[in-house]
Amino acid sequence: QVQLVQSGAEVKKPGASVKVSCKASGYTLTSYGISWVRQAPGQGLEWMGWISAYNGNTNHAQKFQGRVTMTTDTSTTTAYMELRSLRSDDTAVYYCARDLGYISSWYFDYWGQGTLVTVSS
Amino acid sequence: DIVMTQSPDSLAVSLGERATINCKSSQSVLYSSNNKNYLAWYQQKPGQPPKLLISWASTRESGVPDRFSGSGSGTDFTLTVSSLQAEDVAVYYCQQYYTTPPTFGPGTKVDIK
Repeated sequence: QVQLVQSGAEVKKPGASVKVSCKASGYTLTSYGISWVRQAPGQGLEWMGWISAYNGNTNHAQKFQGRVTMTTDTSTTTAYMELRSLRSDDTAVYYCARDLGYISSWYFDYWGQGTLVTVSS
Repeated sequence: DIVMTQSPDSLAVSLGERATINCKSSQSVLYSSNNKNYLAWYQQKPGQPPKLLISWASTRESGVPDRFSGSGSGTDFTLTVSSLQAEDVAVYYCQQYYTTPPTFGPGTKVDIK
C-alpha cells in the first residue's frame, strides 16, 4: 500500500535551517509529484511547493522563494524539503503528500504523518 | 492567487442528520476544454493528516463512504454528509488546483449536536 513516512520532530533556533525527509513506498515515485503543505498550530493548510519526482522540476509558493529547496532521491525513494532562515512563525507541522499533477501541482491523495518543526530561541 | 472561502466556519449536526458545507472560489475553477472542475475536498481529524474525500468536485475516492458527496461548478461548491456519523467529526477543507499555487479554504469544523 502507498505510504509516506516522514522524519521526526525538530526544534530549531531562529535563523537555522531544517531538512525534513519523506520516504515513499508502495508506488513508483517517478510517476507522481510530491507537494509539501504546512499547518501552523490551530490553523489551516498552506501549500509550500511541488517537485516532480520524474524530472526534478519544482514550483514553489512565492512566499517561500529563495528560502526553500525541494529535492528527491530516486535511489532511496525519498523526498526532502529544506527550509532556511527559520523564524518563529515557521513553527508548524510540515506534511509531504503525493501529488497527482504531472507538470504542476494538482491535488493530494496520500499524506505523510507530518513533522512538527518548532522554532524557538 | 485564487482565494477560497468556506461557510459556515463551524456547524453542529445531530447524528443521522445532514451536514452541508459550502465552498466558494474567487474565480472559476471550471476548465472549459474538458468541462472539469479542479476542486477537491479533504477531511482532517485531530492529530491526523488530511484525507482526500473528493476530487474533480464530485468524484468520491475509493473507500470513502457514499454518505459523502460533492456538487457544484464554476465558483460555488458543496460538500454534503447525508447522515452524519460520530466518526465524521472533523475539519473539512476545500482546495482548488485550477491554477498554481493550489489554495485551500479556511476549513469548516463539524461537530455533533
